Amino acid sequence: NAGVTQTPKFQVLKTGQSMTLQCAQDMNHEYMSWYRQDPGMGLRLIHYSVGAGITDQGEVPNGYNVSRSTTEDFPLRLLSAAPSQTSVYFCASRDRSGTEAFFGQGTRLTVV
Amino acid sequence: AQSVTQLDSHVSVSEGTPVLLRCNYSSSYSPSLFWYVQHPNKGLQLLLKYTSAATLVKGINGFEAEFKKSETSFHLTKPSAHMSDAAEYFCVVSDSTPLVFGKGTRLSVIA
Repeated sequence: NAGVTQTPKFQVLKTGQSMTLQCAQDMNHEYMSWYRQDPGMGLRLIHYSVGAGITDQGEVPNGYNVSRSTTEDFPLRLLSAAPSQTSVYFCASRDRSGTEAFFGQGTRLTVV
Repeated sequence: AQSVTQLDSHVSVSEGTPVLLRCNYSSSYSPSLFWYVQHPNKGLQLLLKYTSAATLVKGINGFEAEFKKSETSFHLTKPSAHMSDAAEYFCVVSDSTPLVFGKGTRLSVIA
């Protein structure tokens, strides 16, 4: 039982490049979310999903795109990377009962 | 709308003294509340959770928190700090689907 798996762990991008951060969970959780963590800002919600085919924007969605074609996967796409997107990204999943969320180990992204 | 305010961005205590990390929340419904801990360059670990059962919640590593609805607070305490408690602590609220995080409190423990 792997829990929540994020890839890659580290990534360096040039301004304007695009990439996809992968997130997969094997717990059959309906709810999945993407957060970014910046010093002094806590974790801010980018996008979330309540089930396959359903996504919604969070607090800081600009510059990011998501889709949820399966229960297991919730990729985050950076359309045209900017230095302001330098951050640590966390994916989380939780079940419908709404108790504990499980987090991936994070992706440290640097945009130069 | 739900929100969380962590009242201190940084708390410094001496080893062996009590720890108090303060958290106030705002929620339209009966919320679930959590404390997560993040050690340097590590992921997030659940310390404890409140989900409308007992108002005093015990967590891992000797931490506990008390849900006070009248004060809309969920403060985290520990009787005696250990060097290994030095980390970032996040208070989290959820009355609907996504979790909402506070900005975090950095706990320093001085030998």
